[in-house]
Amino acid sequence: DTAVSQTPKYLVTQMGNDKSIKCEQNLGHDTMYWYKQDSKKFLKIMFSYNNKELIINETVPNRFSPKSPDKAHLNLHINSLELGDSAVYFCASSQAGRGEQYFGPGTRLTVT
Amino acid sequence: GENVEQHPSTLSVQEGDSAVIKCTYSDSASNYFPWYKQELGKRPQLIIDIRSNVGEKKDQRIAVTLNKTAKHFSLHITETQPEDSAVYFCAADSGAGSYQLTFGKGTKLSVIP
Repeated sequence: DTAVSQTPKYLVTQMGNDKSIKCEQNLGHDTMYWYKQDSKKFLKIMFSYNNKELIINETVPNRFSPKSPDKAHLNLHINSLELGDSAVYFCASSQAGRGEQYFGPGTRLTVT
Repeated sequence: GENVEQHPSTLSVQEGDSAVIKCTYSDSASNYFPWYKQELGKRPQLIIDIRSNVGEKKDQRIAVTLNKTAKHFSLHITETQPEDSAVYFCAADSGAGSYQLTFGKGTKLSVIP
């Protein structure tokens, strides 16, 4: 059983396109996150949702829009993709107040 | 906000030797300090964590120590093996009930057979 899953695993697209990445967790957690890991391996928080409500919104371009239809899902939609958006995007989940975050397998986004 | 510094950025050790990675944090309200291991092309995986009410925690060959006064914590790996080669990240939360982890910039550990 996969605890935190993401689709797709790889995404290659051209500049200017719009794309979405989906994330699902079956751990029963109430908090989900999106992280961006760049080529230098820095892990940077982008967004966090708790019980479908946005609680962390770091400084990211408004081309990035997260959507949480329910506690088990957190999707990331990116408009007008740019070269600098190329990175690995990780979804994670945790139980509020517990701290431990569990990561999905990542989505490698390449913008050409 | 929280700032986490991690050193060294790269570390090479001979198989069987010990490895130590150190992190400092800035927010005195931080209570939770996890360590993640990320193998090439894989997801970060939680390997050990420590909360502010203890000074040390061990799990087989890995241990973490915490000094809240000095605001630093360390990961110790003994009897290193080639499969320990990976990037290791420390992190700190932003206080009780917080959701956010701030990560260090990672340490690439290479264990030479």
